[in-house]
Amino acid sequence: DSGVTQTPKHLITATGQRVTLRCSPRSGDLSVYWYQQSLDQGLQFLIQYYNGEERAKGNILERFSAQQFPDLHSELNLSSLELGDSALYFCASSVSGDTGELFFGEGSRLTVL
Amino acid sequence: GENVEQHPSTLSVQEGDSAVIKCTYSDSASNYFPWYKQELGKGPQLIIDIRSNVGEKKDQRIAVTLNKTAKHFSLHITETQPEDSAVYFCAAFSVTGANNLFFGTGTRLTVIP
Repeated sequence: DSGVTQTPKHLITATGQRVTLRCSPRSGDLSVYWYQQSLDQGLQFLIQYYNGEERAKGNILERFSAQQFPDLHSELNLSSLELGDSALYFCASSVSGDTGELFFGEGSRLTVL
Repeated sequence: GENVEQHPSTLSVQEGDSAVIKCTYSDSASNYFPWYKQELGKGPQLIIDIRSNVGEKKDQRIAVTLNKTAKHFSLHITETQPEDSAVYFCAAFSVTGANNLFFGTGTRLTVIP
């Protein structure tokens, strides 16, 4: 158990809908990362937050947004969903975001029908 | 930005044999190189890491080597067991621009009993 909690574990929805994925980092970790993993693909970096502020942005679509709240949990919002958005979405956390030691949650599997 | 290449994409070995996975990176400023193991339906788990001031690190049956000059690093698993079967990802932490962890495309290791 990495200490990173993600909910929901599974989510099935229809095209055009909006969903929110939630992540609670390890206790003491200030930085949260979001990654997307499509079927048999690698891990694509979406976005990073540090202590509530956006720190880095990767290949995140404009239809997607995220935020980190004062209690350090983070939410990833996916809107106007398309079939191609079906994927595993992972959250990872690290103490500071400056060292690279990331601890991953178990992921949220999103299926868009 | 950083680009991490990983080979091979699939690897099958007999139980008890060794397995080697190789990665190259492009950003000479990268200074931290973790390896993750991802079992089916689970999140990536950090199994070993190495920093740029170290050439080799070993933890029981797994070891990682780093050649900074050539910008490549490798994962070595000895005396493989069926439970080693998983997808392995290498990564490089780049401090150029926003600190970020860049992943290779993964190696699916199958250990044949």
